[in-house]
Amino acid sequence: AQSVTQLDSQVPVFEEAPVELRCNYSSSVSVYLFWYVQYPNQGLQLLLKYLSGSTLVKGINGFEAEFNKSQTSFHLRKPSVHISDTAEYFCAVSKTSYDKVIFGPGTSLSVIP
Amino acid sequence: DAGVIQSPRHEVTEMGQEVTLRCKLISGHNSLFWYRQTMMRGLELLIYFNNNVPIDDSGMPEDRFSAKMPNASFSTLKIQPSEPRDSAVYFCASSPGAGDTEAFFGQGTRLTVV
Repeated sequence: AQSVTQLDSQVPVFEEAPVELRCNYSSSVSVYLFWYVQYPNQGLQLLLKYLSGSTLVKGINGFEAEFNKSQTSFHLRKPSVHISDTAEYFCAVSKTSYDKVIFGPGTSLSVIP
Repeated sequence: DAGVIQSPRHEVTEMGQEVTLRCKLISGHNSLFWYRQTMMRGLELLIYFNNNVPIDDSGMPEDRFSAKMPNASFSTLKIQPSEPRDSAVYFCASSPGAGDTEAFFGQGTRLTVV
């Protein structure tokens, strides 16, 4: 079965500084990978996804992630964060087209003015 | 499309009462997921359907929980009887299924059982 690990439960970072949120997964088969963002009192919104092809994936709001199969990682990065990026970020994995999507525990990103 | 629509947005009920949460999928989506989110346990998958058929309900906490998909666009999650430990935010999500499992989430139902 798949599982997702997000090593950092909380990440504080100053405004305009770069940030990396780490995600590692375990699976014995090929996977699809996702990053979602959740703002307070809202549902989850997709930031980006990797289905196939280029291992560097660009998403909304200036975020990008790189799929590294050998290290089973899918870390999320942004070169310069804004106050509005303060939110909870979830990494997720699914196995096949019709399989369930499993979420990691989440990383709380706090951007400090 | 208006996206995934959940109702009600907030529900407060007394312990022992029956609670029904509702979800309308995005038109054309084949997969439906119910998740529960709490501070202690994070985001847990309760059950998911594909083409109206329950595929995996291993995340359903106990027999008090049941979910149905009476048609391709609508689902319900019922808790009977409800208990205080069921208090959480319940999310419904749907996905296209065919080659892309991106899940589109509703706004959630915040359930409080007192």
